[in-house]
Amino acid sequence: AQTVTQSQPEMSVQEAETVTLSCTYDTSENNYYLFWYKQPPSRQMILVIRQEAYKQQNATENRFSVNFQKAAKSFSLKISDSQLGDTAMYFCAFMKQRGGATNKLIFGTGTLLAVQP
Amino acid sequence: KAGVTQTPRYLIKTRGQQVTLSCSPISGHRSVSWYQQTPGQGLQFLFEYFSETQRNKGNFPGRFSGRQFSNSRSEMNVSTLELGDSALYLCASSAGQGPGTEAFFGQGTRLTVV
Repeated sequence: AQTVTQSQPEMSVQEAETVTLSCTYDTSENNYYLFWYKQPPSRQMILVIRQEAYKQQNATENRFSVNFQKAAKSFSLKISDSQLGDTAMYFCAFMKQRGGATNKLIFGTGTLLAVQP
Repeated sequence: KAGVTQTPRYLIKTRGQQVTLSCSPISGHRSVSWYQQTPGQGLQFLFEYFSETQRNKGNFPGRFSGRQFSNSRSEMNVSTLELGDSALYLCASSAGQGPGTEAFFGQGTRLTVV
């Protein structure tokens, strides 16, 4: 069974600073996808960034980038130039790649990020 | 393009009752998944439907059921409600049949069982 672990329940960062959120996972699969989702107080989950396990290049999306270490099963999220609107719960998630069988996401417990003015 | 719509947004039910939650996916999306979110257990996968067929199911008791209609709208039903069923229920829709496609979430239905 796959598990996703986020060891930082809460983090705080000053506006314009950089912060890194940690995520580790456990799987015996070789092909899979990893995601970071953001859940602001409005409750709606929003995809931040996605990484395919077969790609060695780390994904980036504007101010958001990941450090994907497949051998270490680590998938951290770096937020640069933090903005007040980045305040939210961040979830790391895992999805198997199994030829169309499922879109099931396995989530970590989340990290509550507070951006301070 | 309209997003994922979940109704109702809030619901209060009494123990022993049953409840039906609705999810309208993004137009053209054929995959709908349901998740339960609680402070204690976090986000847990309930089930996934694709083209009216359930193709995956999480570890929940049989009181939790769902279905998907030909227009891809989905409903989930919880019978004989228990206090522990109080949670935020999230629905997500995806366009592709294959894994890895982005899941778009609705705002959820907050269910309170008293």
